[in-house]
Amino acid sequence: EIVLTQSPGTLSLSPGERATLSCRVSQSVSTTYLAWYQQKPGQAPRLLIYGASNRATGIPDRFSGSGSGTDFTLTINRLEPEDFAVYYCQQAWTFGQGTKVEI
Amino acid sequence: EVQLVESGGGLVQPGGSLRLSCVGSGFTFSTSGLNWVRQAPGKGLEWVAYISSSGSTIYYTDSVKGRFTISRDNAKNAMYLAMNSLGAEDTAVYYCARDGVGAFHHWGQGTLVTVSS
Repeated sequence: EIVLTQSPGTLSLSPGERATLSCRVSQSVSTTYLAWYQQKPGQAPRLLIYGASNRATGIPDRFSGSGSGTDFTLTINRLEPEDFAVYYCQQAWTFGQGTKVEI
Repeated sequence: EVQLVESGGGLVQPGGSLRLSCVGSGFTFSTSGLNWVRQAPGKGLEWVAYISSSGSTIYYTDSVKGRFTISRDNAKNAMYLAMNSLGAEDTAVYYCARDGVGAFHHWGQGTLVTVSS
C-alpha cells in the first residue's frame, strides 16, 4: 500500500512570498500519476499539476511541480491572496493528507 | 465547458441505503473513466471507486467493498453510486471526478451524505 506524506501540515506565509510544499511517497512511483490539487473552503478540489510537472489548463505559471521517485514538490511563487488554501498531492488513487497554506 | 453535477445526497439512518448520481456534460462521456471521491467533514480526500468508460473495469477502496456499487449509463451521461449498510464513517461530501492524463481533471461540486439517527 502506497502512503503519501505531505509536509508541513500548515505553512504560514505572506502574499508575495514563495511556498514550497513537499509530498513524500512510501515507494518509488512513476511521475505520470503524481498530481497536485488546490481546495478552498466549501469548494471542490481543482487540479493544478499532473504528471508531476505539467500545469493543468488555466493554471498560472507561478505554480510549478517537480520531483521524481519518492520526493515531489509543489512550488508557488509570489503568493497571491487567492492561493491561500489546502493543497493535496495524489498518486493514482491515493491522496496525501494535505498542506494548509495560510496567511 | 466540462460539467459534472452530483445529486442524491441527504440524511440517512445507520444501516440505510442511498443512491448518488453524477451527470456529465461538455465532454464525450462514453469515453471517460470516472471516479467517486469523498471527504469527511474537516478531513482530507479519499478515493472511493472507479469505473472505466465502458463499465467493464471497476475498482473500490477496501472500506466500501461489498457495500457500495458503482455503475454508469452512457446513454444518459450518468454515473451512479449505490450505497448500502451505511455507517457514520460514510458521512462525507461525495464528489464525482473525471479521469484525465494521470489525474482527476474535472470535479463536480459534491453532494453531502450524512449518516445519523
